[in-house]
Amino acid sequence: QKEVEQDPGPLSVPEGAIVSLNCTYSNSAFQYFMWYRQYSRKGPELLMYTYSSGNKEDGRFTAQVDKSSKYISLFIRDSQPSDSATYLCAMSGTDSSYKLIFGSGTRLLVRP
Amino acid sequence: GAGVSQSPRYKVAKRGQDVALRCDPISGHVSLFWYQQALGQGPEFLTYFQNEAQLDKSGLPSDRFFAERPEGSVSTLKIQRTQQEDSAVYLCASSPTGIYGYTFGSGTRLTVV
Repeated sequence: QKEVEQDPGPLSVPEGAIVSLNCTYSNSAFQYFMWYRQYSRKGPELLMYTYSSGNKEDGRFTAQVDKSSKYISLFIRDSQPSDSATYLCAMSGTDSSYKLIFGSGTRLLVRP
Repeated sequence: GAGVSQSPRYKVAKRGQDVALRCDPISGHVSLFWYQQALGQGPEFLTYFQNEAQLDKSGLPSDRFFAERPEGSVSTLKIQRTQQEDSAVYLCASSPTGIYGYTFGSGTRLTVV
């Protein structure tokens, strides 16, 4: 079983919808949680970064971390066709915090 | 430069051939990382440099994989005697320090035939 599980999708939504993306993990030592967006044939781009539990909001994006459930989420409000991409969750612990453990990614398609 | 630059963008190698993949990090970034991304999967950690020192190479899958960063700037990932299972996108990332501010390059797509 992988340390980080993520539904591969694809997830198809109409423009303007609220999108919910999720990851579960097994390692209770994880403290740093990130969401990356990856367009086709490009490298991952950092969207959100959260330390430990709680919520963080940035524009249309909200990241939530529930360490008690080992569950993290990314919400995208007012989704746009330009949001169509693969979304990767990533996390690391305080020991070797530089070593990111990624989920396999969820493909999102926002239909005009 | 403005971002992390990787070359070549695409590489086709015959099985058994040696390949070298180059990474030019963002100027001044102390930390440099290599990841391997198989088709349909998330990136997997290969190795980490702080300046010219390779501090962690625990993710390198075999002794056929070797990375260096001799002057603390440009890095090269070398794969000897390539095998089909080495086919993947190899991503390089750099950061000023630590994990925040990781910037990835667009990767080198390696296909071993």
